[in-house]
Amino acid sequence: DTAVSQTPKYLVTQMGNDKSIKCEQNLGHDTMYWYKQDSKKFLKIMFSYNNKELIINETVPNRFSPKSPDKAHLNLHINSLELGDSAVYFCASSFTGSHTGELFFGEGSRLTVL
Amino acid sequence: RKEVEQDPGPFNVPEGATVAFNCTYSNSASQSFFWYRQDCRKEPKLLMSVYSSGNEDGRFTAQLNRASQYISLLIRDSKLSDSATYLCVVNRRGSQGNLIFGKGTKLSVKP
Repeated sequence: DTAVSQTPKYLVTQMGNDKSIKCEQNLGHDTMYWYKQDSKKFLKIMFSYNNKELIINETVPNRFSPKSPDKAHLNLHINSLELGDSAVYFCASSFTGSHTGELFFGEGSRLTVL
Repeated sequence: RKEVEQDPGPFNVPEGATVAFNCTYSNSASQSFFWYRQDCRKEPKLLMSVYSSGNEDGRFTAQLNRASQYISLLIRDSKLSDSATYLCVVNRRGSQGNLIFGKGTKLSVKP
């Protein structure tokens, strides 16, 4: 069973389109995250939700809107896609207060904007 | 100054070699430190936590120097399967869950 699953794995789309990436975790974690890894391989946090509440919101354009219907799901919707949005988007989850620092990542969703 | 900086690499070493990666962090309030491993086109996975007293896990040894804000990872007797990118990770301002990743150092172990 996949612990953190994201769909789709690959997404190729035109500039200006709107797209969504879904994420689900079956680990019983209460915190979920979205990270972006750009072409330079720099992995940067975008959002974090704890029990459906937004707790971290980095400097991300408001074209990016996360939604957490429940603590096992965190979806990412992107409006008006731009070339610079091309990247791999990783969903992750963890327990709040976990001192192991272990984030469990999904396999990533590779977005290419043409 | 970036929050987490690592050796740029890549490191190309023969099997059996010992290799060391360095990392510095800028936020003196950081409390938790980790090394993650990311294989090509895969997701990052936790390799090991880094404790103040230093810690070892098989062929891997991690060390922390809080005064210098410096973290290291030593890999002994390198295996082909160690080839990956190693990410230095620090929590931000002591806040749980907000982990800052370094850019990573790529290691390639050759036969």
